[in-house]
Amino acid sequence: GENVEQHPSTLSVQEGDSAVIKCTYSDSASNYFPWYKQELGKRPQLIIDIRSNVGEKKDQRIAVTLNKTAKHFSLHITETQPEDSAVYFCAASGGNSGYSTLTFGKGTMLLVSP
Amino acid sequence: EAQVTQNPRYLITVTGKKLTVTCSQNMNHEYMSWYRQDPGLGLRQIYYSMNVEVTDKGDVPEGYKVSRKEKRNFPLILESPSPNQTSLYFCASSPSSWGSQHFGDGTRLSIL
Repeated sequence: GENVEQHPSTLSVQEGDSAVIKCTYSDSASNYFPWYKQELGKRPQLIIDIRSNVGEKKDQRIAVTLNKTAKHFSLHITETQPEDSAVYFCAASGGNSGYSTLTFGKGTMLLVSP
Repeated sequence: EAQVTQNPRYLITVTGKKLTVTCSQNMNHEYMSWYRQDPGLGLRQIYYSMNVEVTDKGDVPEGYKVSRKEKRNFPLILESPSPNQTSLYFCASSPSSWGSQHFGDGTRLSIL
């Protein structure tokens, strides 16, 4: 089945800096890659997603890039703010297990210091 | 308001005592899924359902059962809970298996 590796496990930045979280996946047939943000004690919420026919997608301060050849995708957050502090999860689906199975990375705890 | 509702939110119980965690969505979504979240392991899929009466195993189905008799409900059943099932559980729904998943608020289970 699919295997998703996520790095780093923790990331500390100063307010205003950029943050980058990277994920690699194993199933070359995967073609849907969402990112979720989970604040402490809350449910995961989708912040951005990308499909394999697109190399990059932006939404205000958040962007995701996808390199299908290398089987990795990254989340970029610019001008970080304290409210960006949360755990971020990448995920992949659409591979040989089908779209029914969404495989998550283990998460990155992002801490943005004022 | 569009939402996924899980009950109970918290439960402490003992080994072997059958329990059910309910999940209901009001968005007419076809796809529903259950995950467990453990520290350092992220979210792992337990079971999913593509539609009414259609369910299938995820990555960690052992010790769990589900049913999908109505489109809106997808209960998770632990027939004989054990301490290794102590975890935070999330139900999620989506218009289809393609789409982004909308999560419930979670159920924290402690099995002693």
